[in-house]
Parts: sequence; C-alpha cells; structure tokens
Amino acid sequence: GESVGLHLPTLSVQEGDNSIINCAYSNSASDYFIWYKQESGKGPQFIIDIRSNMDKRQGQRVTVLLNKTVKHLSLQIAATQPGDSAVYFCAENNRAGGSYIPTFGRGTSLIVHP
Amino acid sequence: EPEVTQTPSHQVTQMGQEVILRCVPISNHLYFYWYRQILGQKVEFLVSFYNNEISEKSEIFDDQFSVERPDGSNFTLKIRSTKLEDSAMYFCASSPSTDTQYFGPGTRLTVL
Repeated sequence: GESVGLHLPTLSVQEGDNSIINCAYSNSASDYFIWYKQESGKGPQFIIDIRSNMDKRQGQRVTVLLNKTVKHLSLQIAATQPGDSAVYFCAENNRAGGSYIPTFGRGTSLIVHP
Repeated sequence: EPEVTQTPSHQVTQMGQEVILRCVPISNHLYFYWYRQILGQKVEFLVSFYNNEISEKSEIFDDQFSVERPDGSNFTLKIRSTKLEDSAMYFCASSPSTDTQYFGPGTRLTVL
C-alpha cells in the first residue's frame, strides 16, 4: 500500500481481477479525500472523493473506503481492465481559508495484465 | 467535455531566464491552481487563486513565482529567474467550487 511521502509501490493484477490500493494519511484534521489516476504523460484525473463524515462511497466500478480511526483510505477497482493501468494516488485535503489545499501521496503504480 | 489546457507542453530554458507557463481553465470555473511534480516525486501544491487574487500559497511559491489572470480565459504562472531545481511538470487545475479540481495535461519545464 501507499503512505503519503513513501516510495512508489507497484500492484500487478490480471485483467478481470479486483484491485485494492491503499493509502495512509497523516493529518487527523483532514476532512476531504480524493483519489486520482495519473496516466503516463498526463495530469491527475479525479476518480472519486469522500468526506470525513462517510466511511464508504461507490462510483462506477470504484469504491473508496475511509477509516478515520487508523487514518487509512483504500480504493477498490472492480473487474480491473488494461485501461486502468496508471499511477493512483490519494490526496488529503485541509480547508485553509476558503479552499481545500491537497497534500498528495506519491502513488501506487497499477499494472493490469491482459 | 470541457478540459483544462496548458501551453507549451514542453519548455526548455536556460538557468536564470524567465518563463511563463500558460493555462486555459474550464470556462465557468472560479478557482485556479498551480501544482508541480518533480520527476518521480509526488504532486506538490504551489498556489490557489480566486477572485483575482492569491488565496493560498505554499512555501515553494516564493518571490520568484507569480500568477496572473490577464484576461477572462488565461491563467499564467511566471518564474522570474529559473533554477535547475525548477525542472518539473507544472500542472494547472481549475474547479467550479472549493472541492473537485480538474487538472490540465501539464507543462514539462526543463532548466539547463
């Protein structure tokens, strides 16, 4: 799994498998979390977000789980496809002034084998 | 689907030179951001901009950096005197509110 600031881990899965990518965040005051996908040579792409008053949120093929007790986030991707291959990173957000300022992790590289 | 665009895609400059990185945010967005990502490292927040002024900035965003929204569509990041360590991908992002941000494809800045 990933922790904000640590080395980039890699997760290899077979097409059709479910993938789980983990993230540990550092600030217990963070109240908004986002998962991003970054393909090679591209900017981060929003996948799904969750607020601290929730512990689970589902999107299309993706689910984010939040455990505030241990400051842990996970991203679950169902039926992983080759197009899901990318670096995934979480961002914890703290509201400073009027807008959220994100702190990003370095990411987990997901490799999907056909 | 509207996208954030950035130009140029790659900028090569000599140390000490000024560079301007350009971004066109999504048209109805109100909040604008610059981030950088040094090769192999995590994305780092530089600055946020709202209502024609800086709302937040990080320690990285020192006096060498400035941002501007010169017209209704462009959002620029200027680095006055580039250093070798400024070499990175620079991402612009915009958002309609204070939450979800939409990122551009980035400008790769190489300082020689």
